[in-house]
Amino acid sequence: DAGVIQSPRHEVTEMGQEVTLRCKPISGHDYLFWYRQTMMRGLELLIYFNNNVPIDDSGMPEDRFSAKMPNASFSTLKIQPSEPRDSAVYFCASSSRDRGGTEAFFGQGTRLTVV
Amino acid sequence: KQEVTQIPAALSVPEGENLVLNCSFTDSAIYNLQWFRQDPGKGLTSLLLIQSSQREQTSGRLNASLDKSSGRSTLYIAASQPGDSATYLCAVEGGSYNTDKLIFGTGTRLQVFP
Repeated sequence: DAGVIQSPRHEVTEMGQEVTLRCKPISGHDYLFWYRQTMMRGLELLIYFNNNVPIDDSGMPEDRFSAKMPNASFSTLKIQPSEPRDSAVYFCASSSRDRGGTEAFFGQGTRLTVV
Repeated sequence: KQEVTQIPAALSVPEGENLVLNCSFTDSAIYNLQWFRQDPGKGLTSLLLIQSSQREQTSGRLNASLDKSSGRSTLYIAASQPGDSATYLCAVEGGSYNTDKLIFGTGTRLQVFP
């Protein structure tokens, strides 16, 4: 398996624009997590899904943020409208309980810059 | 609310030293604890996963221990090398009010110089 795949790797956009981040989890994993990492706040969990269903979105900062998982192999995180304070690295991770453990695997991240 | 703390925040050592990185968590009802490595500008790489029923895990020069009752884990790095330079993060899953979420510490930034 190629691991968790995120796209794009880098995104620079102007304030007010819509941004969509994409994630392909590891095949067979039933959990998918979206994290945001900044120098000030470290790694923050935004939302996670189990079997494509959102379980906890309490970390989503505002209504400008939304996430979907239409199927087991794809998820999006959308910011509309984007603001400079959204600039961060956004990580997607997936894991599976089937193997008894829940080792999480992370993608390479999307570095978002909002100017 | 589960809180995870890592000490020290930064560490700089000469090559060859044995190191201990510390992780503590406030809610001991965890399912597991995971150690990650993050290189600058990169994603997180899983190093070791310790289930709640286990006391330690080993991989090469890395050894992680878990003491659930005291809410502590340590990552031991033997014979450190410059290639070990990275940020090391611990994360816990579970807790009394936390089910499937991974809660991360703030990390220890390690520099090993030749």
